[in-house]
Amino acid sequence: DQQVKQNSPSLSVQEGRISILNCDYTNSMFDYFLWYKKYPAEGPTFLISISSIKDKNEDGRFTVFLNKSAKHLSLHIVPSQPGDSAVYFCAASVGGGSNYKLTFGKGTLLTVNP
Amino acid sequence: NAGVTQTPKFQVLKTGQSMTLQCAQDMNHNSMYWYRQDPGMGLRLIYYSASEGTTDKGEVPNGYNVSRLNKREFSLRLESAAPSQTSVYFCASSVSPGANVLTFGAGSRLTVL
Repeated sequence: DQQVKQNSPSLSVQEGRISILNCDYTNSMFDYFLWYKKYPAEGPTFLISISSIKDKNEDGRFTVFLNKSAKHLSLHIVPSQPGDSAVYFCAASVGGGSNYKLTFGKGTLLTVNP
Repeated sequence: NAGVTQTPKFQVLKTGQSMTLQCAQDMNHNSMYWYRQDPGMGLRLIYYSASEGTTDKGEVPNGYNVSRLNKREFSLRLESAAPSQTSVYFCASSVSPGANVLTFGAGSRLTVL
């Protein structure tokens, strides 16, 4: 039973446009959410996070939105750049962020075309 | 700044062979983790060590053992490898168990024939 779902295995966008990556979750106990980015042959790297007490968090070109009633979060990248091409993992945790309770989605491959 | 270093990067084993994946971090982090990533799956936690001297099972611990050798090093051992253990293994560390940001190594690709 997948508690964190990234239903789009891949997404392709043009350079300069907005990329929107989506993530749905089923466990209402999740209270902290993160996005990790992964390039080929590298480990994932932390990108941005959001606590359940917020509905938006921004960091430069990256914004994460949380809709708790819909159990949905999204990552917006504006403007998208070719260097953003990577696999993006959504992750969620219970209890304010215990890492051993971190659940990852399957990932979405983003391709930004020049 | 090396961060998290994993060795080996690639390994091919025959069914029943044993091997140890090594992981070391130089960030003075207290907590360390081993994950596996399979095609079409998210990262799944195998074992973790909240602090030096402690280890605990994660979501998929069967077939694995771990050792927290010291604060820097956390090894993952496969005693009798099986084809189902073919995967990419990632070691990660964090300041503490409650610190959300994980720093990952580059991964170790293991193939069991």
